[in-house]
Amino acid sequence: QVQLMQSGSEVKEPGASVKVSCKTSGYAFISFGVSWVRQAPGQGPEWMGWINTYNGGTSYAQNFQGRVSMTRDTSTSTVYMELRGLRFDDTAVYYCTREGDGYGYGIWGQGTLVTVSS
Amino acid sequence: QTVVTQEPSLTVSPGGTVTLTCASSTGAVTSDSYPNWFQQKPGQPPMALIYSTTNKHSWTPARFSGSLLGDKAALTLSGVQFEDEAEYYCLLYHDSAWAFGGGTKLTVL
Repeated sequence: QVQLMQSGSEVKEPGASVKVSCKTSGYAFISFGVSWVRQAPGQGPEWMGWINTYNGGTSYAQNFQGRVSMTRDTSTSTVYMELRGLRFDDTAVYYCTREGDGYGYGIWGQGTLVTVSS
Repeated sequence: QTVVTQEPSLTVSPGGTVTLTCASSTGAVTSDSYPNWFQQKPGQPPMALIYSTTNKHSWTPARFSGSLLGDKAALTLSGVQFEDEAEYYCLLYHDSAWAFGGGTKLTVL
């Protein structure tokens, strides 16, 4: 079945970078794009950006321009999200989610908790 | 960037019908906004309900339906059950970017 498996929790200091992975399985990796979404404690979800898994093209939310990078490895069917210059308010659960047919985001990873703490 | 607006909270009685809406700061929501709807309960990730305005996922209960209502996207729950009490979020596409609404807290009582 279709699955997205994310890397484990991270604790980072302010100013550091974090790279979260999302390993996909159960479908043709290059056929569907992947978005990253984060959710801070007590807040709603926030869309961060999207990667075209076929050609590596990206589209990032304005709020994250210059601070986020999304990449993919077609040999392992894995997408990555790197966030740089971490701040305390970057503490959140980060999700990858597959953009399916009809632009439906039905399949989600289990989430990765990133805590920014000094 | 797009600002997506939802009702902050709604209350409905069990067995009743309620409609949640989703508006965009860029103008009328259309099918080209590919509205998605999600349900989220405390401590759980969002669960997809509706995509591309009206389409249900295989796991979406029949009592949930999506539509366009005037210049907004809408999610209607018919025959509401206690288990439907949750936060609901819409997601809209515009100009190569997606944006979530702030969410509607649905209370069933």
